[in-house]
Amino acid sequence: AQSVTQPDIHITVSEGASLELRCNYSYGATPYLFWYVQSPGQGLQLLLKYFSGDTLVQGIKGFEAEFKRSQSSFNLRKPSVHWSDAAEYFCAVADGDSNYQLIWGAGTKLIIKP
Amino acid sequence: ETGVTQSPTHLIKTRGQQVTLRCSSQSGHNTVSWYQQALGQGPQFIFQYYREEENGRGNFPPRFSGLQFPNYSSELNVNALELDDSALYLCASSLNRGQNSPLHFGNGTRLTVT
Repeated sequence: AQSVTQPDIHITVSEGASLELRCNYSYGATPYLFWYVQSPGQGLQLLLKYFSGDTLVQGIKGFEAEFKRSQSSFNLRKPSVHWSDAAEYFCAVADGDSNYQLIWGAGTKLIIKP
Repeated sequence: ETGVTQSPTHLIKTRGQQVTLRCSSQSGHNTVSWYQQALGQGPQFIFQYYREEENGRGNFPPRFSGLQFPNYSSELNVNALELDDSALYLCASSLNRGQNSPLHFGNGTRLTVT
């Protein structure tokens, strides 16, 4: 069965610094991978997705992620964070055995230091 | 374009009671998925509806049931509520049921069972 691991429960970054959030997945074939962001009291918003092709994908709000098959990773990056980026970030993989569900990581809470 | 709306936003119920949560899908979307998000965890897939039929179900007991209406809005019903049902319930709509159809989430319904 597929699984997603986000090793960091929280990460603290200074405003203006770079960011990398880690995501590892287990899946035999090429997965469909997603990053979502959840602000307090809000639903989840899609940041970016990877289906195939170029392994570096660009998303909204200046985020990007790189798919590395050899490491089973799909890490999220941003060159310079803003205070408004403080939120919880979730990595998800589409269940390859079905066409209907996403398998989610437990999330990483991003804290921005002024 | 109207996004996904969920009602109510918050709800408090007593163990053993029944609850109905509602979701209006985004315009043009024919698929609705429901997820349960316990505190500090990633979402867990409950089920998905496509064109009024259940298209897939996660590992939830039968007391979790749903409906999708001709206008593609949806309901989640939970019978015989248990304390562990306390969670944020998220509805997401998508253009289609395929894995490459990104989910658009509502802000969720916070259910507290006492």
